[in-house]
Amino acid sequence: EVQVVESGGGLVQPGGSLKLSCAASGFSFSGSAMHWVRQASGKGLEWVGRVRSKANSYATTYAASVKGRFTISRDDSKNTTLLQMNGLKTEDAAVYYCTFTYYYNLDVWGKGTTVTVSS
Amino acid sequence: QSVLTQPPSLSAAPGQKVTISCSGGSSNIAIDYVSWYQHLPGTAPKLLIYENNKRPSGIPDRFSGSKSGTSATLGITGLQTGDEADYYCETWDSSLSAVVFGGGTKLTVL
Repeated sequence: EVQVVESGGGLVQPGGSLKLSCAASGFSFSGSAMHWVRQASGKGLEWVGRVRSKANSYATTYAASVKGRFTISRDDSKNTTLLQMNGLKTEDAAVYYCTFTYYYNLDVWGKGTTVTVSS
Repeated sequence: QSVLTQPPSLSAAPGQKVTISCSGGSSNIAIDYVSWYQHLPGTAPKLLIYENNKRPSGIPDRFSGSKSGTSATLGITGLQTGDEADYYCETWDSSLSAVVFGGGTKLTVL
């Protein structure tokens, strides 16, 4: 079964750091660009960023709202993508989803992991 | 403020048809494919339409997509109570070098 499972969410204070993981299985992970998308409570979906494959030099792209604070990386040997979040703000509180294109376009999504930013 | 503009909410009766609009610009919808997603709170978003008007395997033909210029539209016919959800359009924006989502449309079937 093709799936991605997010983990690592939790409570963090403003200004703190947190690292999310996305474990993939059932497909050729190393050839897939991996994306993170978030949804704050009461808000819409917001794209966070992506990391491309080795063939595309592991290039990363980020939303303006997180650029310089968040870093997306991947470990192809572990079929895992990571989202390192530094300098967290209250507005970063959200459910974070991992997603990628399997057949179509962003057609496989995880169930998400919740990040709470509060003092 | 989303780059792609959708109506915040729509409502229609069971069995009826509804269309959800997504308005963008020259750096996004005009030059790239549009996808549509259905999202129920607490669940993973679900791809309904890709490449403007194509349906993934398993998506019923009650769902359709179209694009013209800088706007795209999702159509849903034969509305069912199970279609109550939030719907999002999505595309790539070349000016932002980013994936962009519409603000979402909450569909109520009553």
